[in-house]
Amino acid sequence: EAAVTQSPRNKVAVTGGKVTLSCNQTNNHNNMYWYRQDTGHGLRLIHYSYGAGSTEKGDIPDGYKASRPSQENFSLILELATPSQTSVYFCASGEGTGGARAEQFFGPGTRLTVL
Amino acid sequence: GDQVEQSPSALSLHEGTGSALRCNFTTTMRAVQWFRKNSRGSLINLFYLASGTKENGRLKSAFDSKERYSTLHIRDAQLEDSGTYFCAAEAPSGSWQLIFGSGTQLTVMP
Repeated sequence: EAAVTQSPRNKVAVTGGKVTLSCNQTNNHNNMYWYRQDTGHGLRLIHYSYGAGSTEKGDIPDGYKASRPSQENFSLILELATPSQTSVYFCASGEGTGGARAEQFFGPGTRLTVL
Repeated sequence: GDQVEQSPSALSLHEGTGSALRCNFTTTMRAVQWFRKNSRGSLINLFYLASGTKENGRLKSAFDSKERYSTLHIRDAQLEDSGTYFCAAEAPSGSWQLIFGSGTQLTVMP
């Protein structure tokens, strides 16, 4: 069974502060993703990674950076948090190599509030 | 515009009845996933389909990439089926990113 964990689960930050959200997966999947979900909407892709050392921009990357220091870990960094970044953030992992099955498995989410 | 259109946005069912959710795609997608968001906010994987149909208990899903749609059928609905259901299509580009529908809020009533 896929296992993706996120920390922290809840975070309150101040405007202008730095926030780091962490994700760990034990599936040895190549690809990892960061999405955000806002009330009444589906998830939207922020950044993703094909493997250690790789980060790519998704559909809404502005205001976010990502870091993939190892196969297992993928972080999302908000250098200068703003209230518009208040949301629930989901991390996911998936195989996604060649023609392989690319099912994604999600972590439990991090609820971020920027005051 | 939106690449994944999910309907209905909200649905109420009585226990024991059934219905279908649908996602239409504006372009050819490689695969589709269906999720249920539970009361704790976690996304539970229901189905992954690259083609055809799959069934799991009271749930059945179909995906037709050529006709650009996917469906999720729920039969004999139970109270614990309540939650928000999302479809997510796998983009045709190389990143395997998922493009999500806006969700269906399902309420099952006694």
